[in-house]
Amino acid sequence: GAVVSQHPSWVICKSGTSVKIECRSLDFQATTMFWYRQFPKQSLMLMATSNEGSKATYEQGVEKDKFLINHASLTLSTLTVTSAHPEDSSFYICSLFSAGDGYTFGSGTRLTVV
Amino acid sequence: LAKTTQPISMDSYEGQEVNITCSHNNIATNDYITWYQQFPSQGPRFIIQGYKTKVTNEVASLFIPADRKSSTLSLPRVSLSDTAVYYCLVGDYTGGFKTIFGAGTRLFVKA
Repeated sequence: GAVVSQHPSWVICKSGTSVKIECRSLDFQATTMFWYRQFPKQSLMLMATSNEGSKATYEQGVEKDKFLINHASLTLSTLTVTSAHPEDSSFYICSLFSAGDGYTFGSGTRLTVV
Repeated sequence: LAKTTQPISMDSYEGQEVNITCSHNNIATNDYITWYQQFPSQGPRFIIQGYKTKVTNEVASLFIPADRKSSTLSLPRVSLSDTAVYYCLVGDYTGGFKTIFGAGTRLFVKA
């Protein structure tokens, strides 16, 4: 089935800096990938849909200027948290959809902003 | 999008069978039901998927009644390592759909 690689698995950054998270599809050409955020003890919340070669589609309430998504190739989508603040600390997860396997999720990235 | 409802938490003991039920009253004709398992600080992992009746794989069984308005994930003989959050997702897998996660069920397996 589809394999998703997410990197880094954890990152600590200073408040005001930007952090980039990568999501790679290792064996599937993904025209669409998805980004989620998960706070402790809570469920996954869909943030945005990443579309290869075009703009991402953001869910209501998600700041597109703060969470920059780039999907420049069929195997790579990136999420950049710009000017990060402590309230952006969370667990970020990406996924892709394939008709044969359904949704496959990355291993997640733990972001801590200090 | 079919909304799902699951129990918030369940406790079990090692070796027991655990059944987690998910309600999805407005499931559509083309929707499939998929269950995922999530451990702390990891992404969700596929467990099992079905459309109707019963599906079984090496780790679980999925029971779906004729009206498909609910489904039950059955974990035989759970172990401590099955302690996790379990989510059911409902959607059209032929073309993809927006994943709306419910609260999930937090299963705690005790020794």
